[in-house]
Amino acid sequence: NAGVTQTPKFRVLKTGQSMTLLCAQDMNHEYMYWYRQDPGMGLRLIHYSVGEGTTAKGEVPDGYNVSRLKKQNFLLGLESAAPSQTSVYFCASSPDNRQLNEQYFGPGTRLTVT
Amino acid sequence: KNEVEQSPQNLTAQEGEFITINCSYSVGISALHWLQQHPGGGIVSLFMLSSGKKKHGRLIATINIQEKHSSLHITASHPRDSAVYICAVRGRSGGGADGLTFGKGTHLIIQP
Repeated sequence: NAGVTQTPKFRVLKTGQSMTLLCAQDMNHEYMYWYRQDPGMGLRLIHYSVGEGTTAKGEVPDGYNVSRLKKQNFLLGLESAAPSQTSVYFCASSPDNRQLNEQYFGPGTRLTVT
Repeated sequence: KNEVEQSPQNLTAQEGEFITINCSYSVGISALHWLQQHPGGGIVSLFMLSSGKKKHGRLIATINIQEKHSSLHITASHPRDSAVYICAVRGRSGGGADGLTFGKGTHLIIQP
């Protein structure tokens, strides 16, 4: 099993450009999450999904959209990138939301917006 | 919103030393996670606990629910333990909104 994979690993965008980050998991997990990690701050939840066809906002959703058309994939879109979106993005998945379920993280995508 | 504080922020120690990293949180939780992030960036789960103590190899995690505090201990530390250690908590409210709330991490360097 590959676990959780993210595409791409690195990307540089110019302000105003758009892009989509892809997260894929092969563990048949119901829950998937997108986080961002910034220097001096803990990971913060952007959006999450509790199953195929569902999405919901997390702590810092502005400027991002998501889709979960297939259970194994969770896409994060930036419609008009801004320098404030320069960050490392992590996707994670878990079987469900029970108390002691582990979250499995992808390797991260480092995004720079100039 | 739960506030998660970790201490110390940075820790440099010599190989073989006993390491303690602390985590405190402000609101009651259903579970606490300890995660490890290596210099390459990947994040792996070390422990999940809701009470008591867990041990895995040289790593020990404890939690005191009444005091809203958890500690991660590393015995006989080794340079390969150098990483960022992250504490994260899951709230009690349940439901899909409960992703984790993360601390800022403790950057540990073990020198040979």
